[in-house]
Amino acid sequence: GAVVSQHPSWVICKSGTSVKIECRSLDFQATTMFWYRQFPKQSLMLMATSNEGSKATYEQGVEKDKFLINHASLTLSTLTVTSAHPEDSSFYICSAVRRNSYNEQFFGPGTRLTVL
Amino acid sequence: SQQGEEDPQALSIQEGENATMNCSYKTSINNLQWYRQNSGRGLVHLILIRSNEREKHSGRLRVTLDTSKKSSSLLITASRAADTASYFCATGPVGGGNKLTFGTGTQLKVEL
Repeated sequence: GAVVSQHPSWVICKSGTSVKIECRSLDFQATTMFWYRQFPKQSLMLMATSNEGSKATYEQGVEKDKFLINHASLTLSTLTVTSAHPEDSSFYICSAVRRNSYNEQFFGPGTRLTVL
Repeated sequence: SQQGEEDPQALSIQEGENATMNCSYKTSINNLQWYRQNSGRGLVHLILIRSNEREKHSGRLRVTLDTSKKSSSLLITASRAADTASYFCATGPVGGGNKLTFGTGTQLKVEL
């Protein structure tokens, strides 16, 4: 149990377009989902915390108008990178916290975004 | 900002040897977790140790936590080539809910 999926697993897009990434908890309800960004050979940087039915909380330095997060249900959160530019190219990973789980985050497989 | 610093940044060992990775952090924590990441993949949760615990075992993994020194170590015994991956510590702050702050990571390579 506790499987988290992400779609797509990779995407290549042109500069200026918007890209939507989905994060789903497949077999549990997630009270909270997190979105991270990871550059090559670096650690994960938390971008935002997403709670179902409420606005996402963004970390300092993360543009909320650039990275739109929608937590539509207890099993789905989406991250939309708006007007993507080459510097947005990165590995985006989501995680989900299962209800009644003690601080354990279950991670998705990640989405590789390349902006040309 | 990154809470945890890990050392070494990279570690290369022979199969069968033990691998030890260290993590230091700056502020008080509720718990500390270790994750593994294979190249280009998501993270796999390995073990969670709470702030009132000093040591925890899971299979070939042994984690220690010293809150007075604000440090933790992950020991992998009898390493295998399949253990090759990046390992990250992550801290959950006191009163911070489920939010985690990740360390810089250790890249482990286990050679045959």
